[in-house]
Amino acid sequence: AQSVTQLDSHVSVSEGTPVLLRCNYSSSYSPSLFWYVQHPNKGLQLLLKYTSAATLVKGINGFEAEFKKSETSFHLTKPSAHMSDAAEYFCVVSESKGLYNTDKLIFGTGTRLQVFP
Amino acid sequence: EAQVTQNPRYLITVTGKKLTVTCSQNMNHEYMSWYRQDPGLGLRQIYYSMNVEVTDKGDVPEGYKVSRKEKRNFPLILESPSPNQTSLYFCASTGGDETQYFGPGTRLLVL
Repeated sequence: AQSVTQLDSHVSVSEGTPVLLRCNYSSSYSPSLFWYVQHPNKGLQLLLKYTSAATLVKGINGFEAEFKKSETSFHLTKPSAHMSDAAEYFCVVSESKGLYNTDKLIFGTGTRLQVFP
Repeated sequence: EAQVTQNPRYLITVTGKKLTVTCSQNMNHEYMSWYRQDPGLGLRQIYYSMNVEVTDKGDVPEGYKVSRKEKRNFPLILESPSPNQTSLYFCASTGGDETQYFGPGTRLLVL
């Protein structure tokens, strides 16, 4: 079975400093990995996804993530935080259903990012 | 505009009073899901549907029902809601590129 662990429930940074949100996964297959962002009182928005192409994935709003198979990690980074980045971030692994070739998403428990002025 | 819509957005009800949360997508996606989001637990899948008339249980199906009579609609039914079903619910549909599109959420309070 596949699983995903977000190592930090809360991360606080100052505006203009780098952001690192950590995610480790376990998978028996070649996984698809995603990062979603949820702003307060909003739905979930896809930031970026990895689907076995380039290991460094660039997403929206300056975020990127690197797939490291040897470390089973998919950490999310951004060089310079902005106040509008304050939100909850979810790391997600896709679990193949095989026969029907459809994928179930396994969500991490989320990391709340706070950005201070 | 491609979107997933849910109604109602907010709902307060009492224990045992049947309710339905509707979900509709306009992207012709075959795969749709329902999730609940609770603090510290992330999102957990309740039910999913791979196509019309094809549904299956997710991780936390107890106390819920779904139906998929049309491709675009995937309602979530709580036959006899209980306080432990107080939560934030999201409907999602999945495109061919594995990207899931989420609805805006339905916040449910069961008294």
